[in-house]
Amino acid sequence: QQQVKQSPQSLIVQKGGISIINCAYENTAFDYFPWYQQFPGKGPALLIAIRPDVSEKKEGRFTISFNKSAKQFSLHIMDSQPGDSATYFCAASISQGAQKLVFGQGTRLTINP
Amino acid sequence: EAQVTQNPRYLITVTGKKLTVTCSQNMNHEYMSWYRQDPGLGLRQIYYSMNVEVTDKGDVPEGYKVSRKEKRNFPLILESPSPNQTSLYFCASRFLTGNYGYTFGSGTRLTVV
Repeated sequence: QQQVKQSPQSLIVQKGGISIINCAYENTAFDYFPWYQQFPGKGPALLIAIRPDVSEKKEGRFTISFNKSAKQFSLHIMDSQPGDSATYFCAASISQGAQKLVFGQGTRLTINP
Repeated sequence: EAQVTQNPRYLITVTGKKLTVTCSQNMNHEYMSWYRQDPGLGLRQIYYSMNVEVTDKGDVPEGYKVSRKEKRNFPLILESPSPNQTSLYFCASRFLTGNYGYTFGSGTRLTVV
């Protein structure tokens, strides 16, 4: 119940295309859903996050779509660029208590020029 | 610069030889955590600390120890490393309330032979 399942494991998109990564969760107590971006040799960095009271959040080319009833959320990268090539992790946590962040398995995104 | 500093970045050791990976943050964060990253498994929490002298187990604590004697430092100790602890390790920190985003260190790649 604590798991977050992420798909696909790897994704190749042409420059200018839309990259879509999906995540699903079981624990309805989760109330914070961030996405992290990781470049080789670096630690993950917070990219964008959403709370379940909204269905969508957009920051520049990055958008989180959230479907509370389906317990799913996704990251959309519009106009994908080679510099977006990285590993992306979705995550979920509960705001109260220990607030452990549970991560998905990761998606390696490659944007071909 | 606000950051989480881990040392060393790379470490090769032999089975059974005790080692410590240091982690220090300069953001006055209450919450600190250790994760290990393995291919296809994402990031899994090893231990976390909600404040000085308060530590608790994460999902994969076996074979690890931690301490939190000062707010800024959270070392990870492997008393008797084994080859299955070969992994990429990340220290992360954040405030307990408000913004739940983690700041991650750059990682420590540990190989146990």
